[in-house]
Amino acid sequence: ETGVTQTPRHLVMGMTNKKSLKCEQHLGHNAMYWYKQSAKKPLELMFVYSLEERVENNSVPSRFSPECPNSSHLFLHLHTLQPEDSALYLCASSQDWRGGLQNEQYFGPGTRLTVT
Amino acid sequence: RKEVEQDPGPFNVPEGATVAFNCTYSNSASQSFFWYRQDCRKEPKLLMSVYSSGNEDGRFTAQLNRASQYISLLIRDSKLSDSATYLCVVFSSASKIIFGSGTRLSIRP
Repeated sequence: ETGVTQTPRHLVMGMTNKKSLKCEQHLGHNAMYWYKQSAKKPLELMFVYSLEERVENNSVPSRFSPECPNSSHLFLHLHTLQPEDSALYLCASSQDWRGGLQNEQYFGPGTRLTVT
Repeated sequence: RKEVEQDPGPFNVPEGATVAFNCTYSNSASQSFFWYRQDCRKEPKLLMSVYSSGNEDGRFTAQLNRASQYISLLIRDSKLSDSATYLCVVFSSASKIIFGSGTRLSIRP
């Protein structure tokens, strides 16, 4: 399935590095999301974008910086991360963000990030 | 109390059995509910949305009980391929999309 793609699939970075995660959706959806999934913890919503505008930031540290240049692409820029930021970062998209069946979300395969 | 709670399991049942698990939520204003499945080291995949009147998709039946604030998932005639972690998702608003921790299901031959 290639509805939502993410690159890279794996990333190892030092605490002083700057890197970016990329997500692309081919479903014609209007909303895109970033989630973090740490070991043995539920998925945590980080950011929500609707038609390139950020509609929610769930108290995420500023070392994570999202960017949505158009409705098909979403980036997560990373800088000066901490080892506890190591996790699986998942991108998702949905038709709309405001609830109901249009909020059915489709996930990309994720980027497994390790911060050393 | 967690906003969304699931029995972590694992549920270990034989092939062909019927298995059910619940997910409770604390926010009575919650609007939308979903079940996802997640295989080991893979992304969550939408299994089904949960309609107010309950809904069925093949061997899977989802129910919503607003009075008691829980959703349920019933799997009939379970297959080996049903082995996965099942996540319930409760949507209250854009900022309130809460995933449960998941229930692990293992189907044995």
